[in-house]
Amino acid sequence: DGGITQSPKYLFRKEGQNVTLSCEQNLNHDAMYWYRQDPGQGLRLIYYSQIVNDFQKGDIAEGYSVSREKKESFPLTVTSAQKNPTAFYLCASSSLEGVAYNEQFFGPGTRLTVL
Amino acid sequence: AQSVTQPDIHITVSEGASLELRCNYSYGATPYLFWYVQSPGQGLQLLLKYFSGDTLVQGIKGFEAEFKRSQSSFNLRKPSVHWSDAAEYFCAVGARDNNAGNMLTFGGGTRLMVKP
Repeated sequence: DGGITQSPKYLFRKEGQNVTLSCEQNLNHDAMYWYRQDPGQGLRLIYYSQIVNDFQKGDIAEGYSVSREKKESFPLTVTSAQKNPTAFYLCASSSLEGVAYNEQFFGPGTRLTVL
Repeated sequence: AQSVTQPDIHITVSEGASLELRCNYSYGATPYLFWYVQSPGQGLQLLLKYFSGDTLVQGIKGFEAEFKRSQSSFNLRKPSVHWSDAAEYFCAVGARDNNAGNMLTFGGGTRLMVKP
């Protein structure tokens, strides 16, 4: 089955530690996205990538980093510089074929808690 | 830049009653509009989408939404709510940008509770 997987489902981190969240897709999509979700604030874009080895900052990129070494993988690192990292993180992907808009498909999410 | 407003943070309806969730958007061109549903601790599932054509859009699980350009709205409706519909619902507007690709802007969400 095609889809997006995220791991781990739950992640606990001590203050001052970096952690990496995994996102993998087998939909052959060009674009991948990372969102942060906090209660009552909807989803906010952290980073996105349209092509391997290239990515762009979203609205709230400070304290986060990403890489896109393979088309199917887009890991997110939450660094110690992120002041309030406790949140639910969602990964998404979309095709970029054609000129019309292509919908985004979402993974199941990772809940990060800083202890 | 586009924006989406969902005026109702929480809504409670009785099982079997009708439902309407409000969504207003701001966007300079013809928007691509979406409704997603999220169960607790889960990812987002697409309910329906509007790209063009018929302004009344049918989705999964018996949901429908109507695009009203004059009101900049895309309200979600269901004639009879089931207990399993309790979840959080997000409206989103999409924009295709040559530099940025497919971008989505989300509303703050509406949490639906269903009374037995």
